[in-house]
Amino acid sequence: QSVLTQPPSVSGAPGQRVTISCTGSSSNIGAGYVVHWYQQLPGTAPKLLIYGNNNRPSGVPDRFSGSKSGTSASLAITGLQAEDEADYYCQSYDSSLRGWVFGGGTKVTVL
Amino acid sequence: EVQLVESGGGLVQPGGSLRLSCVASGITVSSNYMSWVRQAPGKGLEWVSVIYRDGRTLYADSVKGRFTISRDSSRNTLYLQMNSLRPEDTAVYYCTRDATGTNPNHMDVWGEGTTVSVSS
Repeated sequence: QSVLTQPPSVSGAPGQRVTISCTGSSSNIGAGYVVHWYQQLPGTAPKLLIYGNNNRPSGVPDRFSGSKSGTSASLAITGLQAEDEADYYCQSYDSSLRGWVFGGGTKVTVL
Repeated sequence: EVQLVESGGGLVQPGGSLRLSCVASGITVSSNYMSWVRQAPGKGLEWVSVIYRDGRTLYADSVKGRFTISRDSSRNTLYLQMNSLRPEDTAVYYCTRDATGTNPNHMDVWGEGTTVSVSS
């Protein structure tokens, strides 16, 4: 059971918009700690996708965006493409555990 | 180009030990926050440990007292000494650079990982 809760899977047709939620609590996201998102393509290492709630590293398409409100965060992918099929993880810090925490991951399928 | 290359994984019996290494190029290990993150087969990511620039260390409860993170400035290398290994430690272990400027830091550079299997 992960500290941050994500849906196991989401799917959408090419060109559609999908969102992935990341639900935490008052000891992590709700405590003001920022949320980061990582993309893991099949058989590869994770890659930083969004940092500090809503910032994209250089090279990440603006189809990817992040937001945070209260004890939750969300990742949105607009104009879904076949190459976006991957696992996505949210990450933050938990003051009760005194460590970094990840969500359980969400598999995005392009129909 | 910034690159992290892990090594040292392998098959070990329960109760055994392994030392993982992560050689960095393009960055100075001792000037950065560096972490280990693992991923069990078919599972999600789990943070394992971090070493701060000032040498302070933190560990996940699941490895506290068994694993030790360290670095060697002369070799620009990060290590993870793993003792008293258990089958549930079986995973791919990734080395990461933790970029500052956010709270918490964000892992902006990842190695390709090294595989640890704990089995009799």
